[in-house]
Amino acid sequence: DTGVSQDPRHKITKRGQNVTFRCDPISEHNRLYWYRQTLGQGPEFLTYFQNEAQLEKSRLLSDRFSAERPKGSFSTLEIQRTEQGDSAMYLCASSSQGGPYEQYFGPGTRLTVT
Amino acid sequence: GENVEQHPSTLSVQEGDSAVIKCTYSDSASNYFPWYKQELGKRPQLIIDIRSNVGEKKDQRIAVTLNKTAKHFSLHITETQPEDSAVYFCAASLGMDSSYKLIFGSGTRLLVRP
Repeated sequence: DTGVSQDPRHKITKRGQNVTFRCDPISEHNRLYWYRQTLGQGPEFLTYFQNEAQLEKSRLLSDRFSAERPKGSFSTLEIQRTEQGDSAMYLCASSSQGGPYEQYFGPGTRLTVT
Repeated sequence: GENVEQHPSTLSVQEGDSAVIKCTYSDSASNYFPWYKQELGKRPQLIIDIRSNVGEKKDQRIAVTLNKTAKHFSLHITETQPEDSAVYFCAASLGMDSSYKLIFGSGTRLLVRP
């Protein structure tokens, strides 16, 4: 499968714990995005990487959230001190360099905070 | 900031009929408008997109129209089939935003009755 992959697919954690998610984009894509989707809503933008540089962060991304893309390939999204309000589907997408090209989404990581 | 409104929130049609979903956007600088189909528990899948230099685009049973003056764009599905049942999201990409992040509508749940 040469599409965007994410790991894990599901994560259940207790409030206050830290969690980390991984995204592997399509190999030739240098743009990588993280979105969050809650039930019944469209995805909401969280952050954007061009190669290894994190160029934009949404105000939705509190200080408890951090994302990295150390070698310009895979990316990780960490949530510290999880809260019940963090429960959502975390989606990763990638696209090619240049203008507004198509973004292809991964299957997502569903986070449940108990 | 950019806002995308989508209507209707639910749509039920008889198999073989047409379905139309409408979106409006607020930022006149937006220049890329994709549509995604999301089946239950699955990733959003890009089904068609349109750029602001084009008024209409068609791909088999699916077409998208764009009215830049009114800041409206619409998805048209003809000869609907039960497998078209899903949630459909429109999105807009900010033209002056180098990240080309997507701002999504709230989704339309389409049910095609056999």
